[in-house]
Amino acid sequence: QSALTQPASVSGSPGQSITISCTGTSSDIGTYKLVSWYQQHPGKAPKLIIYETTNRPSGVSNRFSGSRSGNTASLSISGLQAEDEADYYCCSYAVSPTWVFGGGTKVTVL
Amino acid sequence: EVQLVESGGGLVQPGGSLRLSCAASGFTVSSTYMSWVRQAPGKGLEWVSFLYTGGNTFYADSVKGRFTISRDISKNTLSLQMNSLRAEDTAVYYCAGTTTNPFYFGHWGQGALVTVSS
Repeated sequence: QSALTQPASVSGSPGQSITISCTGTSSDIGTYKLVSWYQQHPGKAPKLIIYETTNRPSGVSNRFSGSRSGNTASLSISGLQAEDEADYYCCSYAVSPTWVFGGGTKVTVL
Repeated sequence: EVQLVESGGGLVQPGGSLRLSCAASGFTVSSTYMSWVRQAPGKGLEWVSFLYTGGNTFYADSVKGRFTISRDISKNTLSLQMNSLRAEDTAVYYCAGTTTNPFYFGHWGQGALVTVSS
């Protein structure tokens, strides 16, 4: 199972909106539609911010939203804040079962 | 409050063995979908192993036949027995659990560093 494809980096100014793409295949995102997103600050454990493609856990800001089209999922962050600067990883449930992660996207707040 | 605390990390020589433990509080490991996820230094996340509530186990191809996931219900802990360790197994190993369904990783521990080197 190959890793999902994410851009290495995305940047934006405070208050702006950004979108991170996550491209898989018909064996993962395209079939199971079960994508999750994780935020990881340096030296910290990952934190779930989106599950089952579009759902936010309790306590996660509504500035974070998820979507999917075909084999590509996306994470959008609106009203970008300094605290959003972190690494973001997508993950898809896949056959067997297995779980496949993206390579990660570093978000920089300019 | 849900909490996961890993222990057992350290330095081990290639070909050696190590056992990681993950102590859970706020939920019971027997009714939680539990996983191990690792992160090599400076790299991304990689799923390693999964334990269904019913007891079925699953492994990534990279560790199949070398790693064994298990749980101790009496101690409410999850374990990962790692044998025949290789340099490429060097990583921070995270314990993760979800009570609702197995499709994502809802709660994470702080991680345990495993270094495989001579």
